[in-house]
Parts: sequence; structure tokens; C-alpha cells
Amino acid sequence: EAGVVQSPRYKIIEKKQPVAFWCNPISGHNTLYWYRQNLGQGPELLIRYENEEAVDDSQLPKDRFSAERLKGVDSTLKIQPAELGDSAVYLCASSSGGYTEAFFGQGTRLTVV
Amino acid sequence: AQKVTQAQTEISVVEKEDVTLDCVYETRDTTYYLFWYKQPPSGELVFLIRRNSFDEQNEISGRYSWNFQKSTSSFNFTITASQVVDSAVYFCALADNNAGNMLTFGGGTRLMVKP
Repeated sequence: EAGVVQSPRYKIIEKKQPVAFWCNPISGHNTLYWYRQNLGQGPELLIRYENEEAVDDSQLPKDRFSAERLKGVDSTLKIQPAELGDSAVYLCASSSGGYTEAFFGQGTRLTVV
Repeated sequence: AQKVTQAQTEISVVEKEDVTLDCVYETRDTTYYLFWYKQPPSGELVFLIRRNSFDEQNEISGRYSWNFQKSTSSFNFTITASQVVDSAVYFCALADNNAGNMLTFGGGTRLMVKP
């Protein structure tokens, strides 16, 4: 069974440029998460989807970040414009819901210069 | 509010030594779940174990074992006879009703196993 797939793996952009990350969750997983992991820290939740509905986006900086999960499967996370402080690893995860374990993708390492 | 503390930021051991990674959590809920994840250099978080708050039985899986003690709000992880391949960052995480099923992670413990 394929795991959570993310792309790209690495992205380097100049500040003020836009950037987008893509995630394909495990087939059949209705719950999808986007986490941000700063260097040397644990992941922090940005947004959680149940199917196509964002049910927890309180940690998402809405002035520059946006996310969507059309049709309740794939998801994209966008930053526009990017700032130097956005440099981090962006992790996507999915689960079958409730308190079941989440499975993570390999992440996208974003560097803003 | 929920919180997870991993006081050990970095541990270094020699291969075949046993090592315990500490995890202390805070939650107001009586129903919650605890997790351990491994993050190797490749970056992907690998699920290791999930325990619910009503099951305090210790668990053993090969060289891995977990000690859950509600009295001290701890969920410690022991690797027996460590191997170089165990080198990674290990994260403890908590999910409770207050946060839906959102995982709150600790800061992680970097384990280095030297040959």
C-alpha cells in the first residue's frame, strides 16, 4: 500500500515569492493534516481536514497561508508571499479518523532566501 | 491545555547499550492517547506505538518497550541492545478530546548510537 506522498521534496525560493506544496494521502483516509516542523523542534499542526472540510485551522497564518482539499483526497498548501521565517519542513499526514495513528509523508523542506 | 515534554534533547550511547527516552505529558482530559514516532535522517515520521489512557499495561515489541505510568504522567520508551540503525529523532505525542484528534508533539530526543 502506498504511503503519504508529498511533492516537491525540496524547494528554495526568494522571499515574497509564492510557493505551493502537494499531498496525496493514503487511500481511504478521510483525515488529512498539514504540520510545520522548524529545525530542532517537533511538528506543529497548521490545519486538519475531515474529508474536504477544514475542521481545525486555528494555527494557520491566514494572511499568507491557504490550503484546500478538493474532492476530499489530495491537498495543497500555499504560501503567498513567503517570508524568511517560513523556512521549515512542511509535513502532510493522514489517518482513518478518530484517535487512530497518523501516517506521515517525507515532507517538503522549504528554504526562503 | 495539552503539553508534551521530552527533557532529553540528545542522547549518545554505544551500540548494544540499553537506552530510555523520557516523555512527560499534561492534559486535563481523562481520555487521551499517547504516541511515539521515529524520525530518521530521511525525514519521514514513522509510527511506533499508540496507547490509550485506560490501558496502563507495558508493551514490548522486539527490542522496544514502553512504560506508561498515569501516576507520574509519563510514557517512557526503552530500546534494548541499541543498534546504529536506531539513530534518529524520537517524538512523543499526545491527542486528547480538547484538541480533537490533533497530535501535540514534544520537542523530540535525538538518539545517536555509535558503533
